[in-house]
Amino acid sequence: DVKVTQSSRYLVKRTGEKVFLECVQDMDHENMFWYRQDPGLGLRLIYFSYDVKMKEKGDIPEGYSVSREKKERFSLILESASTNQTSMYLCASSSQGKGQFFGPGTRLTVL
Amino acid sequence: AQTVTQSQPEMSVQEAETVTLSCTYDTSESNYYLFWYKQPPSRQMILVIRQEAYKQQNATENRFSVNFQKAAKSFSLKISDSQLGDTAMYFCAFMKHDPGGTSYGKLTFGQGTILTVHP
Repeated sequence: DVKVTQSSRYLVKRTGEKVFLECVQDMDHENMFWYRQDPGLGLRLIYFSYDVKMKEKGDIPEGYSVSREKKERFSLILESASTNQTSMYLCASSSQGKGQFFGPGTRLTVL
Repeated sequence: AQTVTQSQPEMSVQEAETVTLSCTYDTSESNYYLFWYKQPPSRQMILVIRQEAYKQQNATENRFSVNFQKAAKSFSLKISDSQLGDTAMYFCAFMKHDPGGTSYGKLTFGQGTILTVHP
């Protein structure tokens, strides 16, 4: 079975902290994605990666960075967390034509 | 650029009945994929059904089927014999068919429809 895992289901951080969200897929997919999901705003793409060490900005990259050192792992980094980054973060991976497969999500609260 | 519109923010249905969720999209692409995803409350988003635009035949997965009208750019999801476990947010999504290109499997999502199945 296809599997995408995320490092935490729930996370509470303080304003100004550096936050790492990790995502691992076991399907050998080339492409990986980070979204945030907020009520009334749907899913918004933050960053994606199409190969190791390759990344591209999505629709809302400000305040975030990413890292992909290995094919199976894609990390989202909040350099200095702010309260407006409180959200549900979803990771997904895909191979061309198959659609995206999602992880369980991380609900991040920044106090 | 593509857009996906789900015009029904919320819908409800009685258990065992049939419900249809609407989705329209706008694109200048001739070859693409369409998807329906289901996100139950506080649970993982899962792929429900996938349609390839060059295929005339509507996709079916058990109680889930689609009505794909390419000319009208419409892609509705029909859920037959609704069950309590079908209660979820449903997202329609578009993906360009772009082998070797630069779309990288990106999806364009609709805003979602919250479906509630009542006993």
